[in-house]
Amino acid sequence: DTAVSQTPKYLVTQMGNDKSIKCEQNLGHDTMYWYKQDSKKFLKIMFSYNNKELIINETVPNRFSPKSPDKAHLNLHINSLELGDSAVYFCASSQDRRGGYGYTFGSGTRLTVV
Amino acid sequence: AQTVTQSQPEMSVQEAETVTLSCTYDTSENNYYLFWYKQPPSRQMILVIRQEAYKQQNATENRFSVNFQKAAKSFSLKISDSQLGDTAMYFCAFMKHQGAQKLVFGQGTRLTINP
Repeated sequence: DTAVSQTPKYLVTQMGNDKSIKCEQNLGHDTMYWYKQDSKKFLKIMFSYNNKELIINETVPNRFSPKSPDKAHLNLHINSLELGDSAVYFCASSQDRRGGYGYTFGSGTRLTVV
Repeated sequence: AQTVTQSQPEMSVQEAETVTLSCTYDTSENNYYLFWYKQPPSRQMILVIRQEAYKQQNATENRFSVNFQKAAKSFSLKISDSQLGDTAMYFCAFMKHQGAQKLVFGQGTRLTINP
């Protein structure tokens, strides 16, 4: 039973397309996150939701829109994909918004824009 | 804003040796959390160890231990009796204690354990 599962694991698409990445957690956690890992392996937070409410929204292009239908799901929709969007996107969850016990991460989605 | 610095981009040791990975951070907070995460070639991010800043005692998890020096803002990870499966990227991360928080990561250290 995967604790935090993301789909798809790999995504190859052309510039200008719109794509979505889905994330689900079965840990009963209240808070979920999206992180981006660039080609140099640097990890940076994009968004965080606590029980369906957006609580962290970093400086991210408007083309990126998160959606949380319930506290177990957090999806990421990307419009008009650009070459620079190529990265690994990680979903994560924590027990609560303080996250003091650390995050549980999904296995990542490698997005390649060609 | 908090920053986390890992000054060793790459390290390499022989199997069974002990290795220490460095991490420093910058914050004006008094209470916070520190973490080490491991990312093997499988890409999965795995929590290795966690430290609460208000606890003086250094955290340990089996072969993994930390040296937490609060005044120096240093948080190094020691891996004892290293194994081939320890080969991975290791990330140090910081999180403030209050409110809705985010993990702030360092740049990572690529550790290779050689047979």
